[in-house]
Amino acid sequence: DADVTQTPRNRITKTGKRIMLECSQTKGHDRMYWYRQDPGLGLRLIYYSFDVKDINKGEISDGYSVSRQAQAKFSLSLESAIPNQTALYFCATSGQGAGKPQHFGDGTRLSIL
Amino acid sequence: AQSVTQPDIHITVSEGASLELRCNYSYGATPYLFWYVQSPGQGLQLLLKYFSGDTLVQGIKGFEAEFKRSQSSFNLRKPSVHWSDAAEYFCAVGRGNAGNMLTFGGGTRLMVKP
Repeated sequence: DADVTQTPRNRITKTGKRIMLECSQTKGHDRMYWYRQDPGLGLRLIYYSFDVKDINKGEISDGYSVSRQAQAKFSLSLESAIPNQTALYFCATSGQGAGKPQHFGDGTRLSIL
Repeated sequence: AQSVTQPDIHITVSEGASLELRCNYSYGATPYLFWYVQSPGQGLQLLLKYFSGDTLVQGIKGFEAEFKRSQSSFNLRKPSVHWSDAAEYFCAVGRGNAGNMLTFGGGTRLMVKP
């Protein structure tokens, strides 16, 4: 089983709909992250959480919200989806400590019509 | 502010040829540096990382990278490319006290000719 699991893997929806992307992990990490990937731009950080009671905005948080339901679960919501939120979304986790790498899920491909 | 530049958007090499993917970073402190690989339909997998010590670091799948502070570079190399290396490669710099916050480059897509 994957250490970092994202659901759904693919989603097509319409402008204005509310969407939730879910992420769960079995790595026991405290730190979790949400990114979006767009061609040529690499990955950009949307939100991150260093523990259950800690939520922080990343560089592109407008239009998104998150919920850290438990150490192992971190959800990303689009309250009212718009077409330019069409992208590939990744969840990642990391341990604490210097240079701990991030571990990624397989991504959710989201298309907003 | 930190930034990462991968100057080559696409690279094509022949199978068995050597490979070098370029990465330049801008960061005010000693950087934590990472290379990740993304195969189609999959997430990012860590190839290697550097944050201190020997400036030539070895990673998985036969990859290595060299940190050159004077050039602000962390180029990825492989002596002989295999067809299975075709993927997208991302360089990232880690910021923050423990280097856990990543800034990614735009990626380089590698194609391998038979």
